[in-house]
Amino acid sequence: AQTVTQSQPEMSVQEAETVTLSCTYDTSESDYYLFWYKQPPSRQMILVIRQEAYKQQNATENRFSVNFQKAAKSFSLKISDSQLGDAAMYFCAYRRINNAGNMLTFGGGTRLMVKP
Amino acid sequence: DTGVSQDPRHKITKRGQNVTFRCDPISEHNRLYWYRQTLGQGPEFLTYFQNEAQLEKSRLLSDRFSAERPKGSFSTLEIQRTEQGDSAMYLCASRPGTYNEQFFGPGTRLTVL
Repeated sequence: AQTVTQSQPEMSVQEAETVTLSCTYDTSESDYYLFWYKQPPSRQMILVIRQEAYKQQNATENRFSVNFQKAAKSFSLKISDSQLGDAAMYFCAYRRINNAGNMLTFGGGTRLMVKP
Repeated sequence: DTGVSQDPRHKITKRGQNVTFRCDPISEHNRLYWYRQTLGQGPEFLTYFQNEAQLEKSRLLSDRFSAERPKGSFSTLEIQRTEQGDSAMYLCASRPGTYNEQFFGPGTRLTVL
């Protein structure tokens, strides 16, 4: 079974600074997807960024980028120029490619606090 | 609003009572998922529908839980004889068949007293 681990229960960053959230996963599959989801307080979860394991290039979406290390099974999220609106729970998630159901396996989450 | 909607947003019930939650997916999304999220944890997969067919169920889905998706549109999740351990946020997500991203609803927070 696949597992996803987020070792940082809480992180704090100063507004406009950069922060990196860590995620490791365990799988025997060679092809899969990895995701970072953001869950603001009392609001629904939204996708931040996605990475296909077969792509060597790290995904980037505006201020959000990932550092995908396939051999190390590591998938960290870097948030640049942090904004107050970035404060939320962040979940790392995994999905097999050859999985008809496409269900996600989530990590335990990291609470990000942004200080003004 | 054309996103995933869930009803109710909050439910408080007494142990032993039955509860039912509803999820309305984004129109034309034929895949629908239920997840459970306990406080301070990430969501855990419960069950998955493709159209009206329930194709996968997690071991977390005990016999007291049942989910349906009649006509492949909205879905309901029923919990019979609720227990305090059922207290959690129940999330629904949907996606179209040709797209990877799951779109989540706001969730139903269940509190069992």
